[in-house]
Amino acid sequence: DAGVTQSPTHLIKTRGQQVTLRCSPISGHKSVSWYQQVLGQGPQFIFQYYEKEERGRGNFPDRFSARQFPNYSSELNVNALLLGDSALYLCASSLVGHGANVLTFGAGSRLTVL
Amino acid sequence: DAKTTQPPSMDCAEGRAANLPCNHSTISGNEYVYWYRQIHSQGPQYIIHGLKNNETNEMASLIITEDRKSSTLILPHATLRDTAVYYCIVRVSVESQGGKLIFGQGTELSVKP
Repeated sequence: DAGVTQSPTHLIKTRGQQVTLRCSPISGHKSVSWYQQVLGQGPQFIFQYYEKEERGRGNFPDRFSARQFPNYSSELNVNALLLGDSALYLCASSLVGHGANVLTFGAGSRLTVL
Repeated sequence: DAKTTQPPSMDCAEGRAANLPCNHSTISGNEYVYWYRQIHSQGPQYIIHGLKNNETNEMASLIITEDRKSSTLILPHATLRDTAVYYCIVRVSVESQGGKLIFGQGTELSVKP
């Protein structure tokens, strides 16, 4: 079975540009969450989507946005990139959007902002 | 802020048990303790979780103290492939935030030959 797939795996952007990262959840999983992991730190929660609705948002500026599609895949968009946005962006999916469920993470998209 | 405290690093000899401690003194009665690990340059991997009782699966055992203020993850026979950063997480149980995990700094476990 395919796990959580993310694309692209690596990308380089310059300050001020915009980026879109994509995530396909495990088949049957309806909840997708996004995390940012800066080098040397633990992942930080950005968004959760469940049944195509935003169910949680972390402490990130409005430059960060996301959406979930009818097939439960998701996109994370970051506008007006800053050097500090350089990080590993992780997507995780789970069967349900609440309760004691387990998150399965993808391998991440590594973004470098120059 | 993370609700857990873990030692920043630990060493373990290959083939021996690795015991990773975690303090979560402010845990609420309906919050679970989760353990994930992250091997370098990969996404975090789920290991085990528990509420009150001790739990065991094919990867590890989780021992939770009776007062639930601390727990220990046990890898019974550590191998070199267990070298990773291990995160202890207290899960926000609010229904609308089921996808939110608050990661701390974790424990960097080095398994040595």
